[in-house]
Amino acid sequence: GENVEQHPSTLSVQEGDSAVIKCTYSDSASNYFPWYKQELGKRPQLIIDIRSNVGEKKDQRIAVTLNKTAKHFSLHITETQPEDSAVYFCAASKGFKTIFGAGTRLFVKA
Amino acid sequence: DTAVSQTPKYLVTQMGNDKSIKCEQNLGHDTMYWYKQDSKKFLKIMFSYNNKELIINETVPNRFSPKSPDKAHLNLHINSLELGDSAVYFCASSQGGGRAGQPQHFGDGTRLSIL
Repeated sequence: GENVEQHPSTLSVQEGDSAVIKCTYSDSASNYFPWYKQELGKRPQLIIDIRSNVGEKKDQRIAVTLNKTAKHFSLHITETQPEDSAVYFCAASKGFKTIFGAGTRLFVKA
Repeated sequence: DTAVSQTPKYLVTQMGNDKSIKCEQNLGHDTMYWYKQDSKKFLKIMFSYNNKELIINETVPNRFSPKSPDKAHLNLHINSLELGDSAVYFCASSQGGGRAGQPQHFGDGTRLSIL
């Protein structure tokens, strides 16, 4: 069945460093790839997304890249800050169905 | 104004009981979803509705019955609650989910604990 693998499951970085989270999807028909941030006890919130006709997208300190051939996409956070600490989910979407990765718990140490 | 609101926020009940969770969105979206997030934080889709019609039922036990009285509401009724049902249930909505590339807006979640 459809699957999204996400790595690493936990990531600890020093404030100011960069963080990279990688995802691989199995369904080549997936055409929309959102990233969500979930702080402790809160709801997931969209932070950035990319569509299958685009290879890269950037929004301030956050960027996402997509390699359709290899079926993988990545989230890059630069100049990390303590408030970036959260669980990050990648997802692959096709029509009405969205499959989420298992999440990456990011710790940013001050 | 909360865009996607769920009630109740917390639900503590005994095994075997029946309970309901309500969800309403004021974003004018066509598509609504229910997700289950377990203790390991894994987010799994349960149901997807588009314009009040069931589109996706992800092999959820038939003890779970969603109902969408209109586009803005998607409720979840659970019969004969089991210990394994303990989780956080999130409602979400999106505009035109059948088309490519629509972000989902999540509610604050309902934490269900089965004693």
